[in-house]
Amino acid sequence: DAKTTQPPSMDCAEGRAANLPCNHSTISGNEYVYWYRQIHSQGPQYIIHGLKNNETNEMASLIITEDRKSSTLILPHATLRDTAVYYCIVDALYNFNKFYFGSGTKLNVKP
Amino acid sequence: DGGITQSPKYLFRKEGQNVTLSCEQNLNHDAMYWYRQDPGQGLRLIYYSQIVNDFQKGDIAEGYSVSREKKESFPLTVTSAQKNPTAFYLCASSISGDAGELFFGEGSRLTVL
Repeated sequence: DAKTTQPPSMDCAEGRAANLPCNHSTISGNEYVYWYRQIHSQGPQYIIHGLKNNETNEMASLIITEDRKSSTLILPHATLRDTAVYYCIVDALYNFNKFYFGSGTKLNVKP
Repeated sequence: DGGITQSPKYLFRKEGQNVTLSCEQNLNHDAMYWYRQDPGQGLRLIYYSQIVNDFQKGDIAEGYSVSREKKESFPLTVTSAQKNPTAFYLCASSISGDAGELFFGEGSRLTVL
């Protein structure tokens, strides 16, 4: 069952920041927000996850609103290799066997 | 290098034939999963296994079977009972109890002729 809503596609210029939104208005207190991406015809790749605080790693930053009903994944300097489908997933810790990968957002990074 | 290996990468079969997709991991992960992906769609969970000799049905298990006799291996059999088996199949693993990071293989693309 879909717990998240994402735009089907977005464009971003190479070198600019890509901001991918995700709505999860029914998120529960024990549920995390996870982001994965899938480059065409490959297996998905984990990007980042968070509960309520903003998170940053070498790949991206995750900004979660204070009410936790939405979040934004930020790729600070998008490259052509970041062109992929990005999945936003909400699920409880230790329950990842039930991950629901919806249709995601297709990010097109353009030169 | 540690990782997940799926084979074959491409597979063709005739209707009515069973086919087995291989998934091997050397990450020492306890949990393993099989997902199916249709063109333009997200991933759907077929089966998962948290420990050896135990596995559970996912959302679309009908027409599929699995075994988990070894920690490293989680083969998926697509049986003739699966009415629309043409799809991209993805195997994944994770450390049970970890904070949600799934490691995926490169996938197996099955086409039924």
